[in-house]
Amino acid sequence: AQRVTQPEKLLSVFKGAPVELKCNYSYSGSPELFWYVQYSRQRLQLLLRHISRESIKGFTADLNKGETSFHLKKPFAQEEDSAMYYCALGFGQGGSEKLVFGKGTKLTVNP
Amino acid sequence: ETGVTQTPRHLVMGMTNKKSLKCEQHLGHNAMYWYKQSAKKPLELMFVYSLEERVENNSVPSRFSPECPNSSHLFLHLHTLQPEDSALYLCASSHGVGNTIYFGEGSWLTVV
Repeated sequence: AQRVTQPEKLLSVFKGAPVELKCNYSYSGSPELFWYVQYSRQRLQLLLRHISRESIKGFTADLNKGETSFHLKKPFAQEEDSAMYYCALGFGQGGSEKLVFGKGTKLTVNP
Repeated sequence: ETGVTQTPRHLVMGMTNKKSLKCEQHLGHNAMYWYKQSAKKPLELMFVYSLEERVENNSVPSRFSPECPNSSHLFLHLHTLQPEDSALYLCASSHGVGNTIYFGEGSWLTVV
């Protein structure tokens, strides 16, 4: 069965420190992985997807098929990065006909 | 307003009530979705509509009844809900199933 695991419910770092939000997935096919972010009082929005290989707001994520991971990283965290982050696995036609989400990690960046 | 708009933002209803959640998208998309986000579970896909036809129903109880009258509007009709149905219901849309999904702000539902 498809599953996404985000082991950390809460993550707290200081401004300027590196941050890594962990995500592991379970899927037998070829996965498409996403990171979604929800800032306080805002809607859920796409942060990045692995096929685009882009860096958004300084965040990057590399798909590691051997470890079935898609960890989100940023070398220097900013206070405005504080938000809820969801890792998601897309599968089916087009790679994201269905999306399975992890439970989310709440990131707090302290001044 | 552009994007995906959901109304009402907050709804409190009794278990015998009938209410509806409304979603409207102004993005020209042709696929729309209902998701449920509850405190103790990951985000769950409920329904998928593509070109106004339901293409996915993820074992959702019949007390939830979706309606997609056109590609811009999606409703979730609620009837005889249970307290455990209290959650945030998110609407989303995309340009074709399988492409990037854009979410609304959600409707907070409390069943008393």
